[in-house]
Amino acid sequence: QKEVEQDPGPLSVPEGAIVSLNCTYSNSAFQYFMWYRQYSRKGPELLMYTYSSGNKEDGRFTAQVDKSSKYISLFIRDSQPSDSATYLCAMKGGAGNKLTFGGGTRVLVKP
Amino acid sequence: SAVISQKPSRDICQRGTSLTIQCQVDSQVTMMFWYRQQPGQSLTLIATANQGSEATYESGFVIDKFPISRPNLTFSTLTVSNMSPEDSSIYLCSVETRTSKATDTQYFGPGTRLTVL
Repeated sequence: QKEVEQDPGPLSVPEGAIVSLNCTYSNSAFQYFMWYRQYSRKGPELLMYTYSSGNKEDGRFTAQVDKSSKYISLFIRDSQPSDSATYLCAMKGGAGNKLTFGGGTRVLVKP
Repeated sequence: SAVISQKPSRDICQRGTSLTIQCQVDSQVTMMFWYRQQPGQSLTLIATANQGSEATYESGFVIDKFPISRPNLTFSTLTVSNMSPEDSSIYLCSVETRTSKATDTQYFGPGTRLTVL
């Protein structure tokens, strides 16, 4: 079993819809949670990072962390075609404190 | 945040040859990392490069195949040695910085797309 599970998609939504992405994890030592966006042929771009359980909002993006369920989510409101990309969750904590990535979810926002 | 550049952005190489990838950061950072991302896959950590010490390699990666240099706090190189088609991948440099809330976050360079024939 992978430490971090993420549905690969693709997830196709119409423009303006809410995009809902999530990851589950098994390592209770993870304390820091991040979401990266990666456009085709580009490096990952940090979108959001959170430390504690709860919600964090930044513009159209909301990150949620539920440590008791070992579940994190990213919501994109009013999605735009420019949001079409692969979204990677990542987390760290515990021994080694290395960043562990999910497999990424490919999102397609159709105009 | 940090601005990271990599050279070359892409290359096509013959098997058996070696390629050195450069990573330059616009600020001094302690921790630098090298990742590999194979087509359609997520990121796999190759090694951690700290200035003034030897790189620490992850399981499955060895120094003879992926020698790393870290001469100062803004620069690192990764060499892919004796390449085979299985080394075709995107190689990404990453740095760790501390945010205002004392959380270490990682930023990534644009990547080097390597094709080995």
